[in-house]
Amino acid sequence: NAGVMQNPRHLVRRRGQEARLRCSPMKGHSHVYWYRQLPEEGLKFMVYLQKENIIDESGMPKERFSAEFPKEGPSILRIQQVVRGDSAAYFCASSPPGTGFTEAFFGQGTRLTVV
Amino acid sequence: GNSVTQMEGPVTLSEEAFLTINCTYTATGYPSLFWYVQYPGEGLQLLLKATKADDKGSNKGFEATYRKETTSFHLEKGSVQVSDSAVYFCALSGGSSASKIIFGSGTRLSIRP
Repeated sequence: NAGVMQNPRHLVRRRGQEARLRCSPMKGHSHVYWYRQLPEEGLKFMVYLQKENIIDESGMPKERFSAEFPKEGPSILRIQQVVRGDSAAYFCASSPPGTGFTEAFFGQGTRLTVV
Repeated sequence: GNSVTQMEGPVTLSEEAFLTINCTYTATGYPSLFWYVQYPGEGLQLLLKATKADDKGSNKGFEATYRKETTSFHLEKGSVQVSDSAVYFCALSGGSSASKIIFGSGTRLSIRP
């Protein structure tokens, strides 16, 4: 049973481009969470999704950021018109239904660098 | 709202020393508490957890006890190894943060041979 898979592991974008980060949850997991880690800081919650639904997006910036978790395929975190301040590690976690964070597992993250 | 405060680092110890990393929390309801570890260049791994008061989580020689009276979940290890060098995050979920996990700022631990 593969773990949470994130790709790409490293992503370089020029200012103004779009970044698309993918997260494939563990088999049987229907809940996905996205976190951002700025250099030398802790992880900040961004969004919690279930299949085809956004449950909690209280940590998402109001502009340029969006997330989806379609019925088929991975969850996508999209950042439009990236700026230098978006440079960070973005982590995805998944959990099975009904367990919340007592059974969540993290991917290895995507490190976004905006140049 | 819910929050986690943990000991600032970096913490540097010699091999075989005793380790304590302090963590206190503020929460409404009855949260679950976690310690995660992040090795250089890697994602987070769950180290241990406790889901109710007085529970003790343990793994790989690390322990932490859920103390509701002091709202604490301090991480301890009796004899650290060089391979324990990493960043450690205290975290909570549940209560009023049911849909997400809230992390402390992390404590960087370095172990000298």
